[in-house]
Amino acid sequence: DTAVSQTPKYLVTQMGNDKSIKCEQNLGHDTMYWYKQDSKKFLKIMFSYNNKELIINETVPNRFSPKSPDKAHLNLHINSLELGDSAVYFCASSPPRPTYEQYFGPGTRLTVT
Amino acid sequence: AQKVTQAQTEISVVEKEDVTLDCVYETRDTTYYLFWYKQPPSGELVFLIRRNSFDEQNEISGRYSWNFQKSTSSFNFTITASQVVDSAVYFCALSEPFTMQAGTALIFGKGTTLSVSS
Repeated sequence: DTAVSQTPKYLVTQMGNDKSIKCEQNLGHDTMYWYKQDSKKFLKIMFSYNNKELIINETVPNRFSPKSPDKAHLNLHINSLELGDSAVYFCASSPPRPTYEQYFGPGTRLTVT
Repeated sequence: AQKVTQAQTEISVVEKEDVTLDCVYETRDTTYYLFWYKQPPSGELVFLIRRNSFDEQNEISGRYSWNFQKSTSSFNFTITASQVVDSAVYFCALSEPFTMQAGTALIFGKGTTLSVSS
């Protein structure tokens, strides 16, 4: 029943490691996003994909690489994790027109030690 | 540049009080969309409302109401007779103007933390 799901919900790892966060939506939407919420709750777009095509790639370190194997999935891979990467990462999806609201996943809390 | 300002960082009220959360936005486009999201302590982001720039009618949904005024670039959110379950962080957001293409991001304000005590 879950519309937008993310795994894992919590991720604790050490500096220098590589990790991935998976996102899946069953809403039939064409567009998916990754947002980062920092410790002060500020939400900022990282990437967006439409029909597996990269649309937005904000000034995010190239250690972050999104991958969209199909329209229902958008995964986020992070190389060489740093302390500053600790945050909550939200996946979202929406119909292609930006007039529609975005539906968010439950978030993945990443802690880098 | 596009920007959303939620000047109230934290608001504390007692149950049954009415509370208004302010949102002021900046955009150069004439066509844009505004949103409110709720983030309860459990952490998920819950969509509350969408409003387009051509529709200035106020909207009421139960205890929630929204006042959109283009003249002041504001999209304020009022909770009537607040309840403890309304305690959450509330975000106002703007859909990025200029490029209304697929994949357009939401620009979020910094959020207002509402605490409702019994």
